[in-house]
Amino acid sequence: QKEVEQDPGPLSVPEGAIVSLNCTYSNSAFQYFMWYRQYSRKGPELLMYTYSSGNKEDGRFTAQVDKSSKYISLFIRDSQPSDSATYLCAMSDMIYNQGGKLIFGQGTELSVKP
Amino acid sequence: DGGITQSPKYLFRKEGQNVTLSCEQNLNHDAMYWYRQDPGQGLRLIYYSQIVNDFQKGDIAEGYSVSREKKESFPLTVTSAQKNPTAFYLCASKKQASNEKLFFGSGTQLSVL
Repeated sequence: QKEVEQDPGPLSVPEGAIVSLNCTYSNSAFQYFMWYRQYSRKGPELLMYTYSSGNKEDGRFTAQVDKSSKYISLFIRDSQPSDSATYLCAMSDMIYNQGGKLIFGQGTELSVKP
Repeated sequence: DGGITQSPKYLFRKEGQNVTLSCEQNLNHDAMYWYRQDPGQGLRLIYYSQIVNDFQKGDIAEGYSVSREKKESFPLTVTSAQKNPTAFYLCASKKQASNEKLFFGSGTQLSVL
């Protein structure tokens, strides 16, 4: 079983739809949770960052963390064609002697149709 | 502008050849990382370095080597021992290993001729 599981999609939605992207994980030591957006053949860019449980909102994006269920989500409201990309969840327990490495999900490919 | 520069953007390797991927950052970050990305498998950590002159193996280090002689540079060599090198390679950095925010370069696509 992988430490982080993410539905690879592809996911196709009409413009204006609400999008829900999800990841589950098995390591209860994870405390830091991130979502990255990656356009085709580009480097991922940090979209949202959350520490521990709770919600965080930034414009049309909302990140949720439920540590009791080991489940994180990213919601995109009023989705736009420019949101078409691969979304990667990432998490870490941030123990220094492990180099602070992030564990990534497989990525979900999202397509928003005009 | 500060950032991470990877070169070349595309690279082709012949059988039995070693190739080196360049990664340079001007963000004054201490920690640097190399990830490999294959379709449907997400990002897997190859090597990382928390400070100059020190580096550690990641989850898939076999067939790869790195050096960290300067703070701003972390080149990755894909050796002939790596039998399946075709992938998208991403270099990344953080201010410190304990910092949560990881920044990526634009990647190098390596293919086998």
